[in-house]
Amino acid sequence: SYVLTQPPSVSVAPGQTAKIPCGGDNIDMRSVHWYQKKPGQAPILVLYDTIDRPSGISERISGSNSENTATMTITRVEAGDEAVYYCQVWDVSTGHPVFGGGTKLTVL
Amino acid sequence: EVQLVESGGGPVKPGGSLRLSCEASGFPYSGYAMNWVRQAPGKGLEWVSSISSSGSYIKYADSVKGRFTISRDNAKKSLFLQMNSLAAEDTGRYYCARGPVQSSFDYWGQGTLVTVSS
Repeated sequence: SYVLTQPPSVSVAPGQTAKIPCGGDNIDMRSVHWYQKKPGQAPILVLYDTIDRPSGISERISGSNSENTATMTITRVEAGDEAVYYCQVWDVSTGHPVFGGGTKLTVL
Repeated sequence: EVQLVESGGGPVKPGGSLRLSCEASGFPYSGYAMNWVRQAPGKGLEWVSSISSSGSYIKYADSVKGRFTISRDNAKKSLFLQMNSLAAEDTGRYYCARGPVQSSFDYWGQGTLVTVSS
């Protein structure tokens, strides 16, 4: 089955840029989706189809995809961006969705 | 406004059963596939099951196949998850999620907590 690999944590100072990678075999051939999960809250879709933002999502969030790594980038990081971020794709062999293990973004 | 509200969670002993519900509002429910996704304590998101808009196509994660049954009632705008033979590893918060919409899950509920313990 398809595996997505994320680092457990990323730390960044306020106002700086955070890059959260999501590794997968030939992931650039897939649509990658990203979710923000804060404690006690429902997950929120923040990027779909690798680069598109749902309505209401900050323009500070963007996505990219290259060979074996998709990346979500948050510019001008704020305290409110602190959360766990999950990437997700569909495993074409099983027809099931697959989530990465999640990356906790800490704002220093 | 799209709303998904889960209910039915609670404590249950190993081997027991629970039935989760998710009530949808704010969108044409019968036109969307729906899913259950769970999160064990301290762990990441795990897809559990999905059902097509008509209920004709159903999929399960291997970890729950044969024990869980997903269903829906489009007239009542509701999604269900019947969970049997529960084990400790089924403990977690269960989320109802709409999708796939452009292959993503675009709306999620707040979740309902299931605790399997003797």
